Amino acid sequence: AQKVTQAQTEISVVEKEDVTLDCVYETRDTTYYLFWYKQPPSGELVFLIRRNSFDEQNEISGRYSWNFQKSTSSFNSTITASQVVDSAVYFCALSEAGTGGFKTIFGAGTRLFVKA
Amino acid sequence: GAVVSQHPSRVICKSGTSVKIECRSLDFQATTMFWYRQFPKQSLMLMATSNEGSKATYEQGVEKDKFLINHASLTLSTLTVTSAHPEDSSFYICSAIQASGGDYNEQFFGPGTRLTVL
Repeated sequence: AQKVTQAQTEISVVEKEDVTLDCVYETRDTTYYLFWYKQPPSGELVFLIRRNSFDEQNEISGRYSWNFQKSTSSFNSTITASQVVDSAVYFCALSEAGTGGFKTIFGAGTRLFVKA
Repeated sequence: GAVVSQHPSRVICKSGTSVKIECRSLDFQATTMFWYRQFPKQSLMLMATSNEGSKATYEQGVEKDKFLINHASLTLSTLTVTSAHPEDSSFYICSAIQASGGDYNEQFFGPGTRLTVL
């Protein structure tokens, strides 16, 4: 069964600090996809990244970077030089290819507060 | 990316009434759509998988007679909350799968519908 664990419920940082959001997943599939989404107060999900299970290469996009390690089943997200606009709930998610329709399971989310 | 819309964006209704929420894929055909429910300060919980032309598949614990799903066309799925009660108040989000013919089918999320039952 799929499972996504985001152990950090809330994180509070001061602007310009770096912050890492943890994500640990469980799956029995060999082919799966991992995601990060941002949910600002408006509620609409903002897609940040997708990674497939065969690509462990880390990725950087702007101030976001992602570290995927299959050995520890982790897919962490780091925001460098955080800004107030980064304040939101961040969800890590997992989709197994075997489900056909790519059913996606979300972690509990980490609420990030960035203070000016 | 592709666009998924939801209507209405916000609805307030009286207890006991039924509410219909529409999910549309605007520029692609979606054979599969998903419905999620999100209570305040909680995660998105998958309610059901909606396949065009067939019955929806509900997750464990979701009442199929309470949450009626109809996926009558490749661009529209509807969720009807029947005899809504205050505990049904939640943020309902749909997503649609755009088939690519490749290994991965992209999933696009709608903006959500906030339901408040008085």
